[in-house]
Amino acid sequence: GENVEQHPSTLSVQEGDSAVIKCTYSDSASNYFPWYKQELGKRPQLIIDIRSNVGEKKDQRIAVTLNKTAKHFSLHITETQPEDSAVYFCAASMTGSNDYKLSFGAGTTVTVRA
Amino acid sequence: NAGVTQTPKFQVLKTGQSMTLQCAQDMNHEYMSWYRQDPGMGLRLIHYSVGAGITDQGEVPNGYNVSRSTTEDFPLRLLSAAPSQTSVYFCASSYFRGSDEQYFGPGTRLTVT
Repeated sequence: GENVEQHPSTLSVQEGDSAVIKCTYSDSASNYFPWYKQELGKRPQLIIDIRSNVGEKKDQRIAVTLNKTAKHFSLHITETQPEDSAVYFCAASMTGSNDYKLSFGAGTTVTVRA
Repeated sequence: NAGVTQTPKFQVLKTGQSMTLQCAQDMNHEYMSWYRQDPGMGLRLIHYSVGAGITDQGEVPNGYNVSRSTTEDFPLRLLSAAPSQTSVYFCASSYFRGSDEQYFGPGTRLTVT
């Protein structure tokens, strides 16, 4: 099955700085890569996703990049704000197959210092 | 729309007891799944369903059963609770299999003593 590794496990940044979280996946057939944000005590919520036919996607201060050759993808948060403090999870799955499983990384706890 | 709902929010069980965690969605989603969340281990898939009457195992299915008699409901049964099943359980649904936005329920915090 798919194995997703996520680094770092914790990340502390000064408000206004950028944060970068990296994930690697094992199955070259994976073609859907979402990122979820989970605030303390809340449910995970999708913040951005990318499919394998795209190399980069942006949404305001958030961007995701995908390198299919190296089998890794990254989340970039620019101009961090206190409300960006949360746990972030990357995930990977295959579409168009009989395997409907979404595999998650272990998560990154991001703390934005004021 | 209520989205994805889960009951109960909290539960304490003794080792060997059984119980059912309820999950329902009102978005007419075909795909539903159960995850458990443990510190440092992310979200691990327990079971999933691609439609009424169809279920399959995920990454950590042992000790759990599921059924999907309707599109809306996807209960998770713990057959004989063990301390290793202490966790936070999330139900999720999506329109299309696992390759679409997953809508998570609020979670159930389960403690097995």
